[in-house]
Amino acid sequence: EDQVTQSPEALRLQEGESSSLNCSYTVSGLRGLFWYRQDPGKGPEFLFTLYSAGEEKEKERLKATLTKKESFLHITAPKPEDSATYLCAVHRGRTGFQKLVFGTGTRLLVSP
Amino acid sequence: DVKVTQSSRYLVKRTGEKVFLECVQDMDHENMFWYRQDPGLGLRLIYFSYDVKMKEKGDIPEGYSVSREKKERFSLILESASTNQTSMYLCASSTLGRATDTQYFGPGTRLTVL
Repeated sequence: EDQVTQSPEALRLQEGESSSLNCSYTVSGLRGLFWYRQDPGKGPEFLFTLYSAGEEKEKERLKATLTKKESFLHITAPKPEDSATYLCAVHRGRTGFQKLVFGTGTRLLVSP
Repeated sequence: DVKVTQSSRYLVKRTGEKVFLECVQDMDHENMFWYRQDPGLGLRLIYFSYDVKMKEKGDIPEGYSVSREKKERFSLILESASTNQTSMYLCASSTLGRATDTQYFGPGTRLTVL
């Protein structure tokens, strides 16, 4: 069964304290891995798409990496405004419509 | 920028009522999706549409139906609302043709069924 597991469930950091969030997946034929940011009471906001092992993408203090079994979202010198839930999703390797499997997210709190 | 809007941010309904949730996107996307999000369960796909009047069931379609009469608009219908349908409902859209194209989400509708 296709599955996405995110860890930790929650993470508390001090401002400037770098860390990484993990997304491990089991899916037959990965066709894309997505990272989203979600603020409380709002819809997910797209961050990155990764397509193949070894690929990396960066945006401001965030960097996403991908291996054959997991992805990491590295947060460098975080600020309080980076506090949010970060969601990972994978696209299943079947023809047809874009069916995504989501993890349950990592709640990040960055304290000043 | 992609803009996906949902008709209500908060909605309170009574058990047995028929509920309509509407979603509109302004980027001429072919694909539209309805998800529900519950604590500890993540986002789960209810229904998907890849063209006007076309629909596919997702993982949890029971108790829901959908309508897509125009390309930009996708409606989720709860035929007879029940308390276990209290949830955050999220609409998303994406382009057709590339299976890995990004899904863009609306702000969500928090539905409470009493």
